[in-house]
Amino acid sequence: DAGITQSPRHKVTETGTPVTLRCHQTENHRYMYWYRQDPGHGLRLIHYSYGVKDTDKGEVSDGYSVSRSKTEDFLLTLESATSSQTSVYFCAATTAPNTEAFFGQGTRLTVV
Amino acid sequence: AQSVSQHNHHVILSEAASLELGCNYSYGGTVNLFWYVQYPGQHLQLLLKYFSGDPLVKGIKGFEAEFIKSKFSFNLRKPSVQWSDTAEYFCAVNAQTGANNLFFGTGTRLTVIP
Repeated sequence: DAGITQSPRHKVTETGTPVTLRCHQTENHRYMYWYRQDPGHGLRLIHYSYGVKDTDKGEVSDGYSVSRSKTEDFLLTLESATSSQTSVYFCAATTAPNTEAFFGQGTRLTVV
Repeated sequence: AQSVSQHNHHVILSEAASLELGCNYSYGGTVNLFWYVQYPGQHLQLLLKYFSGDPLVKGIKGFEAEFIKSKFSFNLRKPSVQWSDTAEYFCAVNAQTGANNLFFGTGTRLTVIP
């Protein structure tokens, strides 16, 4: 699993509540990513980080924020969860630009 | 902007049949190309990758892919599939320079019938 751990693995939350997903890596990867996976859409990039405190938006960033205060942790926050954010979320990391990405096991989030 | 197209959404094959999954990308510059596999209930794992050199690349489990620059394609092949190849396959692309976004296709679900 290349040392990438996501928590929680499953979560059910109510509409309107904030939710934070955590990605923790042990391999000192510089670049980290959050994707969501939905049927018919594949994986879509939400946000990514290219270093501590350096983040940028992906293609589906509305309603999400991220933080990276340490190399090993990349947090994804849903500020006010909506049903459209029900999805499987994957964290990924790479050691250098344009190299193989290693993925976490995924977090299944259900917003009711 | 980059994009990746996988035209086969669901492929059903019998064991020992040959496999070819299509992947086309749009980007004007030099790219890195990847195929990832996701077995049921698991995370994505790298099957193979192309950065430069020989356009025919071999990956794990007998898979290979050919980069055809003129066609913007990176099709995945396997001469003889097994039931254990049942999974979802994703093609991915990123640029060799500039932003490090990794773009994925929508995936192709492969079902292999014993």
